[in-house]
Amino acid sequence: DGGITQSPKYLFRKEGQNVTLSCEQNLNHDAMYWYRQDPGQGLRLIYYSQIVNDFQKGDIAEGYSVSREKKESFPLTVTSAQKNPTAFYLCASSTDWNTEAFFGQGTRLTVV
Amino acid sequence: AQSVTQPDIHITVSEGASLELRCNYSYGATPYLFWYVQSPGQGLQLLLKYFSGDTLVQGIKGFEAEFKRSQSSFNLRKPSVHWSDAAEYFCAVGARAGNMLTFGGGTRLMVKP
Repeated sequence: DGGITQSPKYLFRKEGQNVTLSCEQNLNHDAMYWYRQDPGQGLRLIYYSQIVNDFQKGDIAEGYSVSREKKESFPLTVTSAQKNPTAFYLCASSTDWNTEAFFGQGTRLTVV
Repeated sequence: AQSVTQPDIHITVSEGASLELRCNYSYGATPYLFWYVQSPGQGLQLLLKYFSGDTLVQGIKGFEAEFKRSQSSFNLRKPSVHWSDAAEYFCAVGARAGNMLTFGGGTRLMVKP
């Protein structure tokens, strides 16, 4: 089945540690996105990539980093510089300009 | 810059009653508009989308939405709500010159038996 796979589903991190969230898609989509979701705030764009080896900052990129070495993969690293990393993170992809985004099932990150 | 407002944070309806969720957008040209649904702890599923043409759009699960340019609105409707419709609903707008979506804050729907 085609789709987007995020792993792990739940992740716990100690303060001061970096952690990487995985996002893989087998939809042959060019564009991929990372969103952060907090209660009552909808989804906010962290980073997006329209093509391999290229990515752009979204609205809340500070404290996060990404890479896009393969079309299928767009991992997100939450660094220790992110002041409030506890949130639900959603990865999405789309085929090209002007089409809807398909979402993964999300990763819930908790800082302990 | 584009923006989306969903004025109702929570809505409770009785099973079998009709439903309307409001969405207002701000965008300089004709936007692409979407409604997504999210069950707790899950990703988002596309309900319907508007790109052009007929302003009344049919989606999955019996939902429909109407694009009203004069009111900058894209309200979601369903004639008869089922208990399984309880979820959070997000309206989103996408620019035609790119497909980064801007989401509203969401409306949480609860369904009374």
